[in-house]
Amino acid sequence: QKEVEQDPGPLSVPEGAIVSLNCTYSNSAFQYFMWYRQYSRKGPELLMYTYSSGNKEDGRFTAQVDKSSKYISLFIRDSQPSDSATYLCAIPNQAGTALIFGKGTTLSVSS
Amino acid sequence: DTGVSQDPRHKITKRGQNVTFRCDPISEHNRLYWYRQTLGQGPEFLTYFQNEAQLEKSRLLSDRFSAERPKGSFSTLEIQRTEQGDSAMYLCASGPTSRETQYFGPGTRLLVL
Repeated sequence: QKEVEQDPGPLSVPEGAIVSLNCTYSNSAFQYFMWYRQYSRKGPELLMYTYSSGNKEDGRFTAQVDKSSKYISLFIRDSQPSDSATYLCAIPNQAGTALIFGKGTTLSVSS
Repeated sequence: DTGVSQDPRHKITKRGQNVTFRCDPISEHNRLYWYRQTLGQGPEFLTYFQNEAQLEKSRLLSDRFSAERPKGSFSTLEIQRTEQGDSAMYLCASGPTSRETQYFGPGTRLLVL
């Protein structure tokens, strides 16, 4: 089993939809969770950083962590065409020396 | 506040040639990381520096790869005797000592013919 699993999609939604992106992880010792957004041919951009179980909101984005299920989610409200990108979940390894990434989910928002 | 910069942004080379990439991290960040990303995959960790010390290397970093961070500022990643399988996006990231967050540069896209 891979340490971080993410459905690669692609996911296509109309403008204004609520988008749910998800990852599962295998190591219950993981404590920090991040979401990155990557536009085509660009570097990943940090979107959200969470530590504990529960929700963290930033504008239209909400990150949710369920440590009991080892499940993390990113919700995008009122999705826009500019949200079309690949979304990567990332978890620091236990030593804190590297990020372990999911494969990324490609999202397309049509106007 | 400038972000992480990488140079060059694109590199095309012939198999067997050596290539070198440069990364300039965010100035106050002590941690520096190199990753490799291939199409349809998330970034994969290559190596990690704390200031000038290279503290961790992935098994992906074969003997043909070498990274340095002299004086704890910019870093270089060299690939010797390139192979077609080295074609990928090479990403550099930096982060503060106090947090696990990492901030990525735009990447160097390598194509080995």
